[in-house]
Amino acid sequence: QVQLVESGGGLVRPGGSLRLSCEVSGFSFSDNYMSWVRQAPGKGLEWIAYISVRGSTIYYAESVEGRFTISRDNTKNSLYLQMNSLRFEDTAMYYCASQSTPAPIFAYWGQGTLVTVSS
Amino acid sequence: EIVMTQSPATLSVSPGERATLSCRASQSVISSVAWYQQKLGQAPRLVMYGASTRATGIPARFSGSGSGKEFTLTISSLQSEDFAVYYCQQYSYWPNTFGQGTKLEMK
Repeated sequence: QVQLVESGGGLVRPGGSLRLSCEVSGFSFSDNYMSWVRQAPGKGLEWIAYISVRGSTIYYAESVEGRFTISRDNTKNSLYLQMNSLRFEDTAMYYCASQSTPAPIFAYWGQGTLVTVSS
Repeated sequence: EIVMTQSPATLSVSPGERATLSCRASQSVISSVAWYQQKLGQAPRLVMYGASTRATGIPARFSGSGSGKEFTLTISSLQSEDFAVYYCQQYSYWPNTFGQGTKLEMK
């Protein structure tokens, strides 16, 4: 069955870095567009990054532009999010989500990995 | 950025009754609206896309309507498993944006 499994979350100091991973199985990763969506505690959903099937097209939300980098390795069925210069407001559950088309309709989601930015 | 505004924030409905959730876009997004259901402690689940197309595995009691700026998600006869938070999302423009959510609770 379709599985998206995130990892790499944890507690980090402001200004620090983390790298999140999302390993996919059960569908053709290399044919799917991918995004990261986050959710601050008790808050709503915020899309933050998108990558096309070959990685040639990338978009970021303004809130993370210049600090976060999305990437993918189709040989490993994996999606990544490198997060630098972390801020308190980056504290959230981070979900990877798949899209079968360029339109960001998120058909499949992982269970999320929690990132806590605290001093 | 397109702002999606959902109403009401909380909706209390009895099982078996109809629930109507609303979503308004700050400008026309044509029919590029999706709805997601999120239960406590779980990832969101796609319910509807293209404003009115049910996602795979979503029962027929869920229906969506609207175009332009006004959208509605209707659940015709609420089952216990339908009580959750629902988010609308526009994907007509980048960045795609979500509403703040409607909590559908049991009355």
